[in-house]
Amino acid sequence: DVKVTQSSRYLVKRTGEKVFLECVQDMDHENMFWYRQDPGLGLRLIYFSYDVKMKEKGDIPEGYSVSREKKERFSLILESASTNQTSMYLCASSSPSGGAHEQFFGPGTRLTVL
Amino acid sequence: QKEVEQNSGPLSVPEGAIASLNCTYSDRGSQSFFWYRQYSGKSPELIMFIYSNGDKEDGRFTAQLNKASQYVSLLIRDSQPSDSATYLCAVNNGANSKLTFGKGITLSVRP
Repeated sequence: DVKVTQSSRYLVKRTGEKVFLECVQDMDHENMFWYRQDPGLGLRLIYFSYDVKMKEKGDIPEGYSVSREKKERFSLILESASTNQTSMYLCASSSPSGGAHEQFFGPGTRLTVL
Repeated sequence: QKEVEQNSGPLSVPEGAIASLNCTYSDRGSQSFFWYRQYSGKSPELIMFIYSNGDKEDGRFTAQLNKASQYVSLLIRDSQPSDSATYLCAVNNGANSKLTFGKGITLSVRP
């Protein structure tokens, strides 16, 4: 079974702090994704990566950056946390082999910025 | 803007009934289609995917795809209270590995 893990289930930070969210997958997937999910807005893609050191902006990259130094690990960085970044953050991974592109999600990190 | 639309919901069905969840998409080049289930406070989990016109069955779940009409549906037979969740439709256009998600529909199965 694919396993995607995230570093924290719940996180509370203060406005202006730098925040790191970590994601690790154990299935040797090439692709990794960061989403945020908010009531009424659904899942929105922040960034994705299709290879080590490669990244592409998603639909809402402002205020975020990412790092992928190793294939299994994809980090989301909030450079200066703001209250409007309070959300559920979900990491996912997928492999292009087989052609279907199904994504497998981690358990999520519920971030609160005070 | 590529869009995936789902019925606004919520949808409520009695236990044992068939629940029908619908999804339409705007990108005619879409290649593969996914249904995810998400319990409250949890992350989405993949139920099934489909990429050929017609039906695909997996246990009590059937996905139906009609590319000409640009819709995909999920039927849940013999609905159980444990099926109560939000169901997300997602679409891939084949050009890369990104998925476009609908906002989801909440299903409630009444005992």
